[in-house]
Amino acid sequence: GENVGLHLPTLSVQEGDNSIINCAYSNSASDYFIWYKQESGKGPQFIIDIRSNMDKRQGQRVTVLLNKTVKHLSLQIAATQPGDSAVYFCAEKGSGTSYGKLTFGQGTILTVHP
Amino acid sequence: DSGVTQTPKHLITATGQRVTLRCSPRSGDLSVYWYQQSLDQGLQFLIQYYNGEERAKGNILERFSAQQFPDLHSELNLSSLELGDSALYFCASSVGKGAGGKETQYFGPGTRLLVL
Repeated sequence: GENVGLHLPTLSVQEGDNSIINCAYSNSASDYFIWYKQESGKGPQFIIDIRSNMDKRQGQRVTVLLNKTVKHLSLQIAATQPGDSAVYFCAEKGSGTSYGKLTFGQGTILTVHP
Repeated sequence: DSGVTQTPKHLITATGQRVTLRCSPRSGDLSVYWYQQSLDQGLQFLIQYYNGEERAKGNILERFSAQQFPDLHSELNLSSLELGDSALYFCASSVGKGAGGKETQYFGPGTRLLVL
């Protein structure tokens, strides 16, 4: 994949298990966080987002948790499926900025075994 | 399908050459963003345009330039290409300026550039 050179963290799970992917962010002033999924040969695909005034948000089979105290973000995927295999990126956007620059984490490779 | 289109899908060129990458945002989106994804740097923000005007700049080289046209499509021009410019180049779009609040960016499929 495109990020092999960065020695990405990897997570291997069995189909049906729950997955937790973690991300540490750097800017305590960031006010908006997003998780993206990138499959091989494709662009990042939006999964779920959360604003800094929340600590949890749920979507379909996914939950994002935000801990501002330790600047930590996690993505939980319930009943993981082989189609969930991809690289997952967290991204942050700083507060008070008048532009939409996103700063991406290095990514985590999720492999789901049937 | 995000609704963002990019052409070409693949591009192979030689060092010293110049190329143009094209992006069409989702219908109704006014902002276009360009990102570079390389093996050693990950996903890096290059530049943002909003309704034809440059809005923000990231770590974009002086050899690179971009513009957004009245029909809102955008082009990224890369000149005096070097081997290290080989990467995936993504375009994303969003509805507004990206200021405050929630501004989801939707990504295109990317252009894979190989400089030989």
